[in-house]
Amino acid sequence: EDQVTQSPEALRLQEGESSSLNCSYTVSGLRGLFWYRQDPGKGPEFLFTLYSAGEEKEKERLKATLTKKESFLHITAPKPEDSATYLCAVIGTASKLTFGTGTRLQVTL
Amino acid sequence: SAVISQKPSRDICQRGTSLTIQCQVDSQVTMMFWYRQQPGQSLTLIATANQGSEATYESGFVIDKFPISRPNLTFSTLTVSNMSPEDSSIYLCSVAVGQGTYEQYFGPGTRLTVT
Repeated sequence: EDQVTQSPEALRLQEGESSSLNCSYTVSGLRGLFWYRQDPGKGPEFLFTLYSAGEEKEKERLKATLTKKESFLHITAPKPEDSATYLCAVIGTASKLTFGTGTRLQVTL
Repeated sequence: SAVISQKPSRDICQRGTSLTIQCQVDSQVTMMFWYRQQPGQSLTLIATANQGSEATYESGFVIDKFPISRPNLTFSTLTVSNMSPEDSSIYLCSVAVGQGTYEQYFGPGTRLTVT
């Protein structure tokens, strides 16, 4: 069974304080790893897809990387508007998205 | 990507009743899915809504409790039947777009509270 574990559960940063979120996974036949952002009361917003180890994707202050066992979401110089829950998910040969429980990020002034 | 809307956005229902949630997409899509997100937990796939045939349910979810319709390529409904407080959750529909990718885009969700 595919599994996704995210850490930390919660992270509090000051504005401008860079950090990384971790997503460890086990999956049969990785077809893709996905990062989503979810604001309170809203559906997940798609951020990135990573397909193979060594791949990197960037969007504004976010950068996602992938190894054979984990993915990192690096947040550079975060702003308060980056506060959200960040979800990681994988899809393998079962063709079903499996989500982690997310990291709740709070960025303060 | 796709623009997805859901109705209602939230509801408070009494136990024993049923609620039907609608999901509308702004373009034709092959794959539509229904998820549940219980308080403090992550998303769990309920079923894949298949156009023109019965939905495919995940382990732990059954058609009698969560009947799904998919009359065309832009619309689906999920009914939560004979509700109990344990059904209080956010229900989300999603769609997969593009060939050769598995990216899914989510609707805004329906927050259901059962009293």
